[in-house]
Amino acid sequence: SQTIHQWPATLVQPVGSPLSLECTVEGTSNPNLYWYRQAAGRGLQLLFYSVGIGQISSEVPQNLSASRPQDRQFILSSKKLLLSDSGFYLCAWSKQGAGAGGYTFGSGTRLTVV
Amino acid sequence: AQSVTQPDIHITVSEGASLELRCNYSYGATPYLFWYVQSPGQGLQLLLKYFSGDTLVQGIKGFEAEFKRSQSSFNLRKPSVHWSDAAEYFCAVVSNFGNEKLTFGTGTRLTIIP
Repeated sequence: SQTIHQWPATLVQPVGSPLSLECTVEGTSNPNLYWYRQAAGRGLQLLFYSVGIGQISSEVPQNLSASRPQDRQFILSSKKLLLSDSGFYLCAWSKQGAGAGGYTFGSGTRLTVV
Repeated sequence: AQSVTQPDIHITVSEGASLELRCNYSYGATPYLFWYVQSPGQGLQLLLKYFSGDTLVQGIKGFEAEFKRSQSSFNLRKPSVHWSDAAEYFCAVVSNFGNEKLTFGTGTRLTIIP
């Protein structure tokens, strides 16, 4: 069966420090991968998605970047965190060409920038 | 552009009472629609999905949703809520079948009172 792992679960980082959040998927190949952010009291905002290794699409201009070095690995990064980067970050995957299948989400990372 | 509206930010119901959460979508073609549930501090779990066919779809945890094309709605219902149903609920629509991007509503927070 397919599983998705996301870590760390919680992170407190000072302003100006770097960030690296990792997401891996098991039990499938060539998935679509997504990073979402959920700010307090708000809905889900799509940050990045990837349909293949090295293929990253950004949805909104921001202080963050994403990379997909391997088929089932998706990394969210920042060189210098801002206070506004605080939020709940969710990774998700879906089968390619199966839009009707929906997403499977990871358990999320709570990031607090101080 | 595709969009999803959840007009109710917060709903409170008594345990054992019936529930209906509203969702309206804007999409030019036949939509693929989803309902997700998020417990506090957790990722999102798929409750149910609609692709085509029978407009009344059954999901997990006793939830159902009805697709009404004439009203552009996909409301979520449950005949009798349990305290464990307290969570945030998100409606979503697939907005791009090339990369299966999901567009989410802003969510409805459900509180259950004894």
